[in-house]
Formats: sequence, structure tokens, C-alpha cells
Amino acid sequence: DAGVIQSPRHEVTEMGQEVTLRCKPISGHNSLFWYRQTMMRGLELLIYFNNNVPIDDSGMPEDRFSAKMPNASFSTLKIQPSEPRDSAVYFCASSFNQLQPQHFGDGTRLSIL
Amino acid sequence: GQQVMQIPQYQHVQEGEDFTTYCNSSTTLSNIQWYKQRPGGHPVFLIQLVKSGEVKKQKRLTFQFGEAKKNSSLHITATQTTDVGTYFCAISDNQGGKLIFGQGTELSVKP
Repeated sequence: DAGVIQSPRHEVTEMGQEVTLRCKPISGHNSLFWYRQTMMRGLELLIYFNNNVPIDDSGMPEDRFSAKMPNASFSTLKIQPSEPRDSAVYFCASSFNQLQPQHFGDGTRLSIL
Repeated sequence: GQQVMQIPQYQHVQEGEDFTTYCNSSTTLSNIQWYKQRPGGHPVFLIQLVKSGEVKKQKRLTFQFGEAKKNSSLHITATQTTDVGTYFCAISDNQGGKLIFGQGTELSVKP
């Protein structure tokens, strides 16, 4: 069975550019999560969706970050404009519901120059 | 907001030595989950504990949930180099809305 699929695996871009990260959750999972991981701050929850509806976006750092889930099989996390401090590994995870074990994708390693 | 404290932050052991990481909460937990992240990899679910005093084993890994359901531990017997990585605990927030991850314990094993 396919796990959570994220793309791209790596992204290097200059500050000010728009960055779009993509995620395909496991089929049948109703909850989808976006995390950011850095050495300084650890693993931070940015936003999560239940049944394609955003439930808690309190972890989104600022208005430059936005996330969408147009259907059950696809989600995007967008940063516009990007800044060097956004450099991190971004993980997408999915689960049957928000409290069940989460399955993580391989992550997107983002570097903003 | 609700938090979970995980200690130690780092642990360096000689291969064959035991290792333990602890998670502590100030409030009673409904359950706790444990994850492992290998260097360069992503967190992988290991186990979930639900019952007071529960003990579960996975080969050399022993997971324990405290009697008061406020703390948990992960113990690895006779570590191997394959055990290297960061171990996270995760708890449900007060409203039961989402998981909150601990800071993680990074384990390194010297052969």
C-alpha cells in the first residue's frame, strides 16, 4: 500500500519566491496534518484538516503561510513570499482521525536562500 | 497550552548498554503514543498506550504507562546501532483535538 506521498523531496529557492508543497494522504484517512521540523524548534504542528476542513491553524506562523485541501486525496502548503527563516523540513501526515496513529510522508527539505 | 516534557534531550550509549527516555505531563492523559525518527527520515509510529499501568513490549523495546497516566517511558535493552534516532512521545491535547509531540530524545549508539 502506498504511504503518504509528498512532493517535492527537496526545494531550493530564493527568498521572495512562492513555494508550494504537496501531499497525498493515505486513502481512507480522514485527517491530514502539516508539520515543520527544525533543530531549534523541533516538530511543530502547523495545521490539520478533518474531512478536508481546516480545524486548527493556530500553528501557522504568519499570513505568508496558507494551506488547502480541495479533496480527500490532495493538500497543499504554500509560502508566499518565502524567507530564509522558513528553511526546514516540512512533513505531511495522515490518520484515520486526529487522535489515531499518524503516518508521515518522507518530507520536503526546503532551503530558502 | 498543554505540554509534555521529554527527557533526556540527548543520550549517548555504548552498544549493548540500555537506554530509557521519559515523558511527563502535569495532567492526566487519555493515551500516549511513541514514534521513532531515524536520521534523515520521518517519524514512524511505534505504539500507543491507553490503560493505567500498561506495559507493552516490542522485542528489545519496553513501553510503560504510569499508574496515574501522567508519565510514560520507553526502555531499550542492549542497544544496537540500528536503534539510533530520535524517539518522540505524543499526547492528545485537552480538547482531544490533536496530538502534541514531545521534544524528542536523540539516541546515539557507539559500536
